[in-house]
This record gives sequence, structure tokens and C-alpha cells, in this order.
Amino acid sequence: NAGVTQTPKFQVLKTGQSMTLQCAQDMNHEYMSWYRQDPGMGLRLIHYSVGAGITDQGEVPNGYNVSRSTTEDFPLRLLSAAPSQTSVYFCASRGSYNSPLHFGNGTRLTVT
Amino acid sequence: GQQVMQIPQYQHVQEGEDFTTYCNSSTTLSNIQWYKQRPGGHPVFLIQLVKSGEVKKQKRLTFQFGEAKKNSSLHITATQTTDVGTYFCAAPGNQFYFGTGTSLTVIP
Repeated sequence: NAGVTQTPKFQVLKTGQSMTLQCAQDMNHEYMSWYRQDPGMGLRLIHYSVGAGITDQGEVPNGYNVSRSTTEDFPLRLLSAAPSQTSVYFCASRGSYNSPLHFGNGTRLTVT
Repeated sequence: GQQVMQIPQYQHVQEGEDFTTYCNSSTTLSNIQWYKQRPGGHPVFLIQLVKSGEVKKQKRLTFQFGEAKKNSSLHITATQTTDVGTYFCAAPGNQFYFGTGTSLTVIP
């Protein structure tokens, strides 16, 4: 099992560009989430999904879109990148409501 | 939404000293989880506490869940340089909120 796979590992964007951060898991987990991590801010939830076809907003959803067309994939789209979106992004999955989260290795995004 | 506060934000200790981080929730939790993130890495699950007043140990790490299930603590005895990292508590739910984390530095 590869677990949770995130691509790319690093990305530099110019302000206004769009891109998609990919996340895939091979554990047949129903729950998937996207977090961003900034210094001193901990892990903040962007969007989450409790199953294929179902997504909802977390604490900081503005500027991001998600979709969950399959159980395995949960891409995060930045519609028009802003410098405030410079951060480390983590995708995570879990099998059930109280199960531990399995994290991907993260994507370090810089917006100039 | 659920809020999980964690203190302290940073802690520097001499190797061999003890370390404790505290987690407080504004609401009663069904359970609480603890994670460790090494510098440059991703969070890794350590343990889950479910019962009121529960205490669990993993070698030099002791985890405690409060009687009211609103607070929790992680205590490390005799820290080592391998303990360096950020420790997070987390409140499972649909949204799965994390505490702000405590960054531990161990000075050799």
C-alpha cells in the first residue's frame, strides 16, 4: 500500500494562476481532508469529504475548490492563486469517523 | 465549530528534562487523538484516548484524558533529541479539528 500520495511535492505559482493539488489514497477510506499549515497556525481544515460525491467546507475554504468523484481521489483546486495561499498543504484520509488520520507527505506551495 | 486550544506553543528543554503539553476543548469530546510531526515531515498518529480519566503510556510518553473529557495532556519523561517535533492534539469528528500544536526543542 502506498497510503496517501500527494503531488506535486513543491510548486511555485504566480499570483492569479490556477492549479490542482492531487491526492490519492489506496486504503479504501471514506473520509478525506485537506489542511494547510502555516507557521504558528497549526493545521487548518480547508475542505473535507465523508464519501464519494460528498464534500463540505472546513475553517478556511475561500479560494479553494474540491471534488470527490471517486473514493480514491480528492483533488484541491486553487482558482486564482494569491500570496496568502503560500503554505504547506496536507491531504489526509481515515477509514471511519473516529479512526486516526493518515497524512500524505505534503505539498509546499509558494505564490509570488 | 469545535475549538481545541493547546499550550504552550513552544517549549525548549535540556535533554533529560521532562516535557508536558496541554490540550483544552470548549466542548465535551467523544475521544481525543495525539499526533507528532517531525521537522519537515507530516503528522503521524500516536494514540487515541476514549474513556473519561484514561491514562495510556508509550515508553516515556504518558497520555491522559480528563474526567470531563474536555482536556488532555501528553507528558514526556527524560526527553531525548529524538523527541524533537511538534505535538498536536486532535478532536475527531466530521471536520476533525487540530490543536495549534506545541513545538518541542531538545537541547543536547
